[in-house]
Amino acid sequence: GAVVSQHPSRVICKSGTSVKIECRSLDFQATTMFWYRQFPKQSLMLMATSNEGSKATYEQGVEKDKFLINHASLTLSTLTVTSAHPEDSSFYICSARVGFGGNQPQHFGDGTRLSIL
Amino acid sequence: DAKTTQPNSMESNEEEPVHLPCNHSTISGTDYIHWYRQLPSQGPEYVIHGLTSNVNNRMASLAIAEDRKSSTLILHRATLRDAAVYYCILLRNSGAGSYQLTFGKGTKLSVIP
Repeated sequence: GAVVSQHPSRVICKSGTSVKIECRSLDFQATTMFWYRQFPKQSLMLMATSNEGSKATYEQGVEKDKFLINHASLTLSTLTVTSAHPEDSSFYICSARVGFGGNQPQHFGDGTRLSIL
Repeated sequence: DAKTTQPNSMESNEEEPVHLPCNHSTISGTDYIHWYRQLPSQGPEYVIHGLTSNVNNRMASLAIAEDRKSSTLILHRATLRDAAVYYCILLRNSGAGSYQLTFGKGTKLSVIP
């Protein structure tokens, strides 16, 4: 159980394109969803946290107009990278959790590798 | 967030037990200890978590020191599939609000055939 599906797994596109990444919790309802970014040979960096029906909370230094997050339902969150540029090339990973307590594990998608030419 | 300290890398022979240490000397009483692992080119995978008592599941065991200032993730028989970066993370439980996993550098485990 506790499967998080992320789509697409890989995107290659031209500079200036907007890219949408979907994250779905397949067999549970996610109270909270998270978006991370990981550059090569680095650890995961949290970009934003979102609760269903609420605006996302962005981490310091993450542009909310650049990275649009929509958490429309308890099973779906989307991340749109608007007007992507080569420096946005990275591995984007979503995560979902049931409940708010520290006693809840977090479940991750398999990531989306974004390459901007 | 309370910080954790892990060795940068460890090696293990296949089919032998592996003990991955984690120090968290500034842990507070309500912090849960979580372990995740990340295989190459994949998202992290939940391994195990605990508060005070040792925990076992199908993937691993978690041994927590009595003073909770350290913990050890135990893989009972390492396989090649266990080669990954293992992250030890403290998650604070205050009963409300947002709980965020803050990833450090983790321990890169290599498994030797």
